[in-house]
Amino acid sequence: RKEVEQDPGPFNVPEGATVAFNCTYSNSASQSFFWYRQDCRKEPKLLMSVYSSGNEDGRFTAQLNRASQYISLLIRDSKLSDSATYLCVVSERGNTPLVFGKGTRLSVIA
Amino acid sequence: GAGVSQSPSNKVTEKGKDVELRCDPISGHTALYWYRQRLGQGLEFLIYFQGNSAPDKSGLPSDRFSAERTGESVSTLTIQRTQQEDSAVYLCASSLNGQTFFGQGTRLTVV
Repeated sequence: RKEVEQDPGPFNVPEGATVAFNCTYSNSASQSFFWYRQDCRKEPKLLMSVYSSGNEDGRFTAQLNRASQYISLLIRDSKLSDSATYLCVVSERGNTPLVFGKGTRLSVIA
Repeated sequence: GAGVSQSPSNKVTEKGKDVELRCDPISGHTALYWYRQRLGQGLEFLIYFQGNSAPDKSGLPSDRFSAERTGESVSTLTIQRTQQEDSAVYLCASSLNGQTFFGQGTRLTVV
């Protein structure tokens, strides 16, 4: 199965900081892209889908570069509650198995 | 139900025993997935069901693992002759139109 690679971190940042996560994927047939969030000992939950034109949801901005097979997530004005593991996820098309990166751990410190 | 439901939430079993894990997907979701997550590791794909199509079993690690799904409802994951390396959280997810939701998982400990 094709891979999704992420920097495992941890990223330790102060409250209010801006932090960026990167992800690369190897399957050029990938069509759907997501960022999931996983809190300690909890199930993954969808944070946001990633669209070709880039998209923003409040403090979170996701970008996709298909040519480089690269996805990013930017978090502005970090909150303590943003502390979690962020999973980069791709699939070939809707309703095909999601392929997960191993995640990047973020700790936001007061 | 409102979300994906898995049972049991925790299971401790002796090495060599068989275990059966259950997943109730969100009603109407045609796709169902099983993943495994070892402590401190990423999610490892196991098996995928989509409607009436043949399941994608490419992620099953050995022939001790099998899964079934009844129509578009309940799925069971069976692990035969459990080994200590099977200890992990087993996560079920269901999906419709690209929106995927996970259950809270079954934490399996093989002693």
